[in-house]
Amino acid sequence: SQTIHQWPATLVQPVGSPLSLECTVEGTSNPNLYWYRQAAGRGLQLLFYSVGIGQISSEVPQNLSASRPQDRQFILSSKKLLLSDSGFYLCAWSLLRHTEAFFGQGTRLTVV
Amino acid sequence: DQQVKQNSPSLSVQEGRISILNCDYTNSMFDYFLWYKKYPAEGPTFLISISSIKDKNEDGRFTVFLNKSAKHLSLHIVPSQPGDSAVYFCAASGGSGGGADGLTFGKGTHLIIQP
Repeated sequence: SQTIHQWPATLVQPVGSPLSLECTVEGTSNPNLYWYRQAAGRGLQLLFYSVGIGQISSEVPQNLSASRPQDRQFILSSKKLLLSDSGFYLCAWSLLRHTEAFFGQGTRLTVV
Repeated sequence: DQQVKQNSPSLSVQEGRISILNCDYTNSMFDYFLWYKKYPAEGPTFLISISSIKDKNEDGRFTVFLNKSAKHLSLHIVPSQPGDSAVYFCAASGGSGGGADGLTFGKGTHLIIQP
């Protein structure tokens, strides 16, 4: 069966520090991968998606970047964090259009 | 502009009764709709989905209804149980035009089941 791992679960980082969140999927090949963010009191916002290795699409302009160095690995990064980057970050995968996306457990990022 | 709207931030329902969660959308290109359940500090869990070619989909206690002309969908939970207390997100896909079809989410409705 397929599983998705996301770490760390919680992270407190100072303003201006770098960020690296990692997500890996097991049990499937060539998944679509996604990074979402849930800010306080808001819904889930799609940040990036990837249909294959090295292919990244950004949905919103932001202080973050994403990379997909391997088929089942998706990384969310920032060179210098801002206070507004605080939130709950979720990685997800899906196989096909018109199928559900499966989410990781999320990372609570607090920028101080 | 929010393309998926859940206008009720919270809903309180007595155990055993029916819970009805509503969702409206504005993008006529959306053709696949999903409901997710989310507990605090966890990722959303998929509940049920519906394609735009259908108007109803049922799975156990959960039924989703789609009214395309009104651009409205609803999730019915019957009977409601204490474990159903969570935030429910409505999501849609097909509007972006991209092959990956990332989901567009509403802001969620916090369902509280009272004993």
